[in-house]
Amino acid sequence: QKEVEQNSGPLSVPEGAIASLNCTYSDRGSQSFFWYRQYSGKSPELIMFIYSNGDKEDGRFTAQLNKASQYVSLLIRDSQPSDSATYLCAVSYNNFNKFYFGSGTKLNVKP
Amino acid sequence: DAGVTQSPTHLIKTRGQHVTLRCSPISGHKSVSWYQQVLGQGPQFIFQYYEKEERGRGNFPDRFSARQFPNYSSELNVNALLLGDSALYLCASSLDAGGYEQYFGPGTRLTVT
Repeated sequence: QKEVEQNSGPLSVPEGAIASLNCTYSDRGSQSFFWYRQYSGKSPELIMFIYSNGDKEDGRFTAQLNKASQYVSLLIRDSQPSDSATYLCAVSYNNFNKFYFGSGTKLNVKP
Repeated sequence: DAGVTQSPTHLIKTRGQHVTLRCSPISGHKSVSWYQQVLGQGPQFIFQYYEKEERGRGNFPDRFSARQFPNYSSELNVNALLLGDSALYLCASSLDAGGYEQYFGPGTRLTVT
């Protein structure tokens, strides 16, 4: 059983819309949750992280965590064509830095 | 401040050969992790090192080994290369061990022919 599941997409949204990316994880021991963005041919770059239930906002990005449902999401407001990339969800345990990554969701923002 | 650096950028090797990949973490970061990313998949954890000690190992064969040096830089070694080892190898550094956010280097693209 995979540790982290993501819809591979592609998810297509028009410019200016809200993009909603979802991720589920299997291990209730997971403590830390991360969203990375990866452009084609590049390495993942950290967008934001969340440790506690609820919402965390950073600019146009909002991460949402629901530990009871084992669900993490990322909302991107006012989506821009430059947001077109693959978004990776990752979970880890607080006692070590082994990250489990999902396969990523490809986002296309159409001008 | 410089980010995570990796060398070389690209590498072409033949089956059966050995390869060494290098990584320098962000200044002040003491933990280095290695990942393998095959096209279309998310990164897969190979090793984590913290303070020169192995702290975690993923589901990879013994052909894969690594070490961390006193300056916190790290090497990943792969012996007896197989075609299936062709991938992007990513190094990530974090301030400490234990669930902290990781920052990735640009990666080394390894092609095995």
